[in-house]
Amino acid sequence: EVELVESGGDLVQPGGSLRLSCAGSGFTFSNYEMNWVRQAPGKGLEWISYISSSSSSIYYAESVKGRFTISRDNAENSLYLLMSSLRAEDTAVYYCVREAYNREYLQHWGQGTLVTVSS
Amino acid sequence: DIQMTQSPSSVSASVGDRVTLTCRASQPIRSWVVWYQQKPGKAPQALIYDTSTLQSGVPSRFSGSGSGTDFTLTISSLQPEDFATYYCQQAATFPYTFGQGTRLEI
Repeated sequence: EVELVESGGDLVQPGGSLRLSCAGSGFTFSNYEMNWVRQAPGKGLEWISYISSSSSSIYYAESVKGRFTISRDNAENSLYLLMSSLRAEDTAVYYCVREAYNREYLQHWGQGTLVTVSS
Repeated sequence: DIQMTQSPSSVSASVGDRVTLTCRASQPIRSWVVWYQQKPGKAPQALIYDTSTLQSGVPSRFSGSGSGTDFTLTISSLQPEDFATYYCQQAATFPYTFGQGTRLEI
């Protein structure tokens, strides 16, 4: 069974940094493209970043470009999101999401981890 | 960026009703539309991809159609567990973008 478990969410001050982790299991992690999607409290879904299986392709939403960095460690079956220069508007639940194999859609979602940016 | 606009933003319906939700893209995206269902406090779940292909395990009462810029999600006979928020998403190009969601309520 595919499982994605996020960790690292916390309360952080504006301007601070945080690293989120996502541990994948139940599938061959190195074969799959991965994404981060977030959802602010009471709001809709916002895609924020993508990384290909080999890390050769990376994309970001304009709202986080230059502040967030996506990475992965296939040997550790892990996905990461390093967030810096955090703002109040970055407050959200952050989901780790696996794409379907050879299909362009967000097939499997983790349970999410909450990041709160506040002083 | 491609904007996705869903309508209506909310809809009230009853068990057994047929409901159609709409999603419009700001530019043609062929068949690169995905529909997700989200229940309160839970992660979204993929229902339909490539406009009309059901994700494994999704009941056949869900169906999708459309092409170009206009897409629909239809639930043929609402069940109690279908009351949730539904999002469309374009997977044609980065940045992926979602619609604002349609809340389906009793």
